[in-house]
Amino acid sequence: DAGVIQSPRHEVTEMGQEVTLRCKPISGHDYLFWYRQTMMRGLELLIYFNNNVPIDDSGMPEDRFSAKMPNASFSTLKIQPSEPRDSAVYFCASRRGAQGYTFGSGTRLTVV
Amino acid sequence: ILNVEQSPQSLHVQEGDSTNFTCSFPSSNFYALHWYRWETAKSPEALFVMTLNGDEKKKGRISATLNTKEGYSYLYIKGSQPEDSATYLCAFRAAGSQGNLIFGKGTKLSVKP
Repeated sequence: DAGVIQSPRHEVTEMGQEVTLRCKPISGHDYLFWYRQTMMRGLELLIYFNNNVPIDDSGMPEDRFSAKMPNASFSTLKIQPSEPRDSAVYFCASRRGAQGYTFGSGTRLTVV
Repeated sequence: ILNVEQSPQSLHVQEGDSTNFTCSFPSSNFYALHWYRWETAKSPEALFVMTLNGDEKKKGRISATLNTKEGYSYLYIKGSQPEDSATYLCAFRAAGSQGNLIFGKGTKLSVKP
């Protein structure tokens, strides 16, 4: 099992550009979570899905952020337009039932 | 607002020292408490999932205890080694939350050889 796969590993973009982060969860996992990690706030939940359906998006900072899960093996987190304060490491994690999460390696986003 | 606090924020110990740190979480509406180990430039790795008051889990030199009535968990490392250097995160799951974990900010452990 390759684990949770995120791409890209690093992204540097200019303010105002659209950024798309991608995640492939572990096969058979029915929950998928997007977290953002910053020095100030630690790991914050942005949104999570159960069986491809968004359950709670209350952590999404604002309308510039959107996430989709078109099928059980793929999810995207999009920021449009991006701003410097969006710079952070974005983690995707998946889980099956009551087990612990498996995290991806994260995408380090820098908006200049 | 659910709050998960970890202390200390950082810890520096010598190789061979034993150490412990604390995770505090809401004592009501408890479902589970998770511990993760997070090395720099890697992703968090699950250590323990604890669900019962009085639970004690062990993995090698690392162990954890749980007190759901008073809302705390301790993580112990016996005979710390340089490879134990990492940030240790705890995460609280409330009953009925469908698995949404609330993370603490972690305790960063540095073990000097």
